[in-house]
Amino acid sequence: GESVGLHLPTLSVQEGDNSIINCAYSNSASDYFIWYKQESGKGPQFIIDIRSNMDKRQGQRVTVLLNKTVKHLSLQIAATQPGDSAVYFCAENIQPSGSARQLTFGSGTQLTVLP
Amino acid sequence: DGGITQSPKYLFRKEGQNVTLSCEQNLNHDAMYWYRQDPGQGLRLIYYSQIVNDFQKGDIAEGYSVSREKKESFPLTVTSAQKNPTAFYLCASSSSGPNTEAFFGQGTRLTVV
Repeated sequence: GESVGLHLPTLSVQEGDNSIINCAYSNSASDYFIWYKQESGKGPQFIIDIRSNMDKRQGQRVTVLLNKTVKHLSLQIAATQPGDSAVYFCAENIQPSGSARQLTFGSGTQLTVLP
Repeated sequence: DGGITQSPKYLFRKEGQNVTLSCEQNLNHDAMYWYRQDPGQGLRLIYYSQIVNDFQKGDIAEGYSVSREKKESFPLTVTSAQKNPTAFYLCASSSSGPNTEAFFGQGTRLTVV
């Protein structure tokens, strides 16, 4: 079946640098995307979302970009801090034909912030 | 204090036994989900429910069962038919509709001994 996937399993950045985490999706019917942050041993936490009728959305230190032409999503974190070290997941909210709406996750990227 | 609560946080099970993981939410959400997470892996959907007394299988439903008798509760039973049940289990809930985020519990780590 169609799925969400990530390009890089790990990413290391220097403290203060910007981070970019990428995500590819293959379901053209996906209409809503969410980025989650998961710290070790905890449940994922919402970071930012974007609807399919948008191509960019900004939050506090984070920006999500959506390119529907190539089915690509990215999360940019400005001035990365040690507390940003975590696994980041993108998720797509879709309603498959004949089924109820569901949330499907990619495999995640481990972000490590170096001092 | 609104949120979604999973219990217990850690659970040990002997091989061949069934075990039930609890998930309760007081967010008045219609939809609830169960995911499984293995080390270094993403979240895989086990079961989900959009409304009371109704639920659908996700990608890896074999060896699991659920019930949705109340809006607030969505317990997951890991049966003896699940061949590799050791994992981190996450429950989530969301409002119904297309543009709604899911809120997660803190997870239950199940270990088969």
